[in-house]
Amino acid sequence: AQSVAQPEDQVNVAEGNPLTVKCTYSVSGNPYLFWYVQYPNRGLQFLLKYITGDNLVKGSYGFEAEFNKSQTSFHLKKPSALVSDSALYFCAVRDSGANNLFFGTGTRLTVIP
Amino acid sequence: NAGVTQTPKFRVLKTGQSMTLLCAQDMNHEYMYWYRQDPGMGLRLIHYSVGEGTTAKGEVPDGYNVSRLKKQNFLLGLESAAPSQTSVYFCASSYMQGASGYTFGSGTRLTVV
Repeated sequence: AQSVAQPEDQVNVAEGNPLTVKCTYSVSGNPYLFWYVQYPNRGLQFLLKYITGDNLVKGSYGFEAEFNKSQTSFHLKKPSALVSDSALYFCAVRDSGANNLFFGTGTRLTVIP
Repeated sequence: NAGVTQTPKFRVLKTGQSMTLLCAQDMNHEYMYWYRQDPGMGLRLIHYSVGEGTTAKGEVPDGYNVSRLKKQNFLLGLESAAPSQTSVYFCASSYMQGASGYTFGSGTRLTVV
């Protein structure tokens, strides 16, 4: 079975400060991990993914995520937040043998000017 | 390149009415999915398809039916709409399982009164 936990429903950060959106996962095999962003009244957009290799993954809009196998985490980070980063962020996991992604419940990020 | 197109974008149904949501993709993707998004619950998989002529149940299939007669189209049907089916519905597609992420449509906002 696969599952994803996003422990924070809401994250607030001041513009220019670093941001972190947390994600932990559980799979029976090797995990494929993804981050998506959703802006109001839009579909989900792909940010980045971890499949294998370097634990630090870089993605769109200056975001990056660090895969930590021992802690089963895949936290999303950005060194300097922008107001335009305010959105709903979803972590997703796919077991290497599964047909579909399993999504977390989402974290709403608000960047305060 | 249109990607994934969902129609309609908005719909209001009366309890007991039926309707079909259409998803079309032009990326020659094998896999297609229907999710529903509800506040605080993230995205939950309704049905999916791993190729033309195939369908399978996801987490929350009750009250919905699907068909994949053509590779590029994935239809979601509500036979007898209920207020509990009020939600935002997203279609997604992917090239293959495993390392591929999803491309999402822009969603259909359905209200059942």
